[in-house]
Amino acid sequence: GAVVSQHPSRVICKSGTSVKIECRSLDFQATTMFWYRQFPKQSLMLMATSNEGSKATYEQGVEKDKFLINHASLTLSTLTVASAHPEDSSFYICSARVSPGSTEAFFGQGTRLTVV
Amino acid sequence: QKEVEQDPGPLSVPEGAIVSLNCTYSNSAFQYFMWYRQYSRKGPELLMYTYSSGNKEDGRFTAQVDKSSKYISLFIRDSQPSDSATYLCAMSEGGSNYKLTFGKGTLLTVNP
Repeated sequence: GAVVSQHPSRVICKSGTSVKIECRSLDFQATTMFWYRQFPKQSLMLMATSNEGSKATYEQGVEKDKFLINHASLTLSTLTVASAHPEDSSFYICSARVSPGSTEAFFGQGTRLTVV
Repeated sequence: QKEVEQDPGPLSVPEGAIVSLNCTYSNSAFQYFMWYRQYSRKGPELLMYTYSSGNKEDGRFTAQVDKSSKYISLFIRDSQPSDSATYLCAMSEGGSNYKLTFGKGTLLTVNP
């Protein structure tokens, strides 16, 4: 299957700092990438849909000023958690659609964010 | 009623057993159905991808979709300890609505 690489896999930061998470499609071009958040023993919650060259579309209840998404190229999308607080601690996962006409999506390895 | 219902388990079976995992859904517009396997602290890995009703087999894995009953299943034959993980079902309407709706996941443990 297609490969999606996400970095870092784990990050610990102090409250008030910003954290950037990168998501790359390694062997295909991803016009659309998705960012999810997952709490322990819970399913994936879609935060936003990222389209190359345009603004991200955020799901209801997700603060776009706190979770900044940039999709500058067909192989890279970034999620920046601005001024992180302990309640932002979670598992963040990106995914990418293989092609515009397909719903098939592959996921990155996830990023465990801990804000202390 | 949630859009996708999945029994969270946990499910514990002996090595070699046949495992049956299931999801039900309420949205009749769902056309695409997926099963993902997620190991602890890792991203989900796509196992099976099917369109509309029917069966699909890949090695020890078989996915079944019954749209009339709004019910999907994943069977794992000759289960191995390495199959121990959380299994998530996901589905999508497709077309202009490509978002995936996930079940909560079923935690499976295969005991050697």
